[in-house]
Amino acid sequence: GAGVSQSPSNKVTEKGKDVELRCDPISGHTALYWYRQSLGQGLEFLIYFQGNSAPDKSGLPSDRFSAERTGGSVSTLTIQRTQQEDSAVYLCASSLQRVDGYTFGSGTRLTVV
Amino acid sequence: DAKTTQPPSMDCAEGRAANLPCNHSTISGNEYVYWYRQIHSQGPQYIIHGLKNNETNEMASLIITEDRKSSTLILPHATLRDTAVYYCIVRVNYGGSQGNLIFGKGTKLSVKP
Repeated sequence: GAGVSQSPSNKVTEKGKDVELRCDPISGHTALYWYRQSLGQGLEFLIYFQGNSAPDKSGLPSDRFSAERTGGSVSTLTIQRTQQEDSAVYLCASSLQRVDGYTFGSGTRLTVV
Repeated sequence: DAKTTQPPSMDCAEGRAANLPCNHSTISGNEYVYWYRQIHSQGPQYIIHGLKNNETNEMASLIITEDRKSSTLILPHATLRDTAVYYCIVRVNYGGSQGNLIFGKGTKLSVKP
């Protein structure tokens, strides 16, 4: 597609359940970021993938959060045993090269009830 | 420690130039200056970036002082659709956490009719 696609656009889940959020970057883009943005807050870096290199996981807030990127393309962010404080918009971004500007998706709005 | 300092908010009259300042007094020689914006309820949008020369594209101009300690993003003819939070970010363009795109609080620009 022409842009970064994220699915689902909205997700409501019960506390304690696991969720998977998907990101389809722009074809050919080697760099991919995940961020989250809580209501009224700034963007919080979570994880960065670059090609086949080991990802930079320094922003993941706890071991309940994990992400993978299969074949250098689609990425999945998994949150286990969700908590109410996990409620936020989760944003994915990709870039052809790290030096370039990043294109962001529209995000997944996660609500944990 | 924040690498950039921006005013929390600014107003601009529609049709006039919007000049958004950013201080980055501790910038190192290999760090670039990036600007993004986030319109309400959307993902961030890349605007422009530069190292030391002034840059211009179809969206904006970036003026970087000779000592590189500050920069200004210029929207030459602001419209109501330019109302957004504008983020100034400094980062390197190679591996490691220094290359991560870290968002601060930004400047909320309100374009008024």
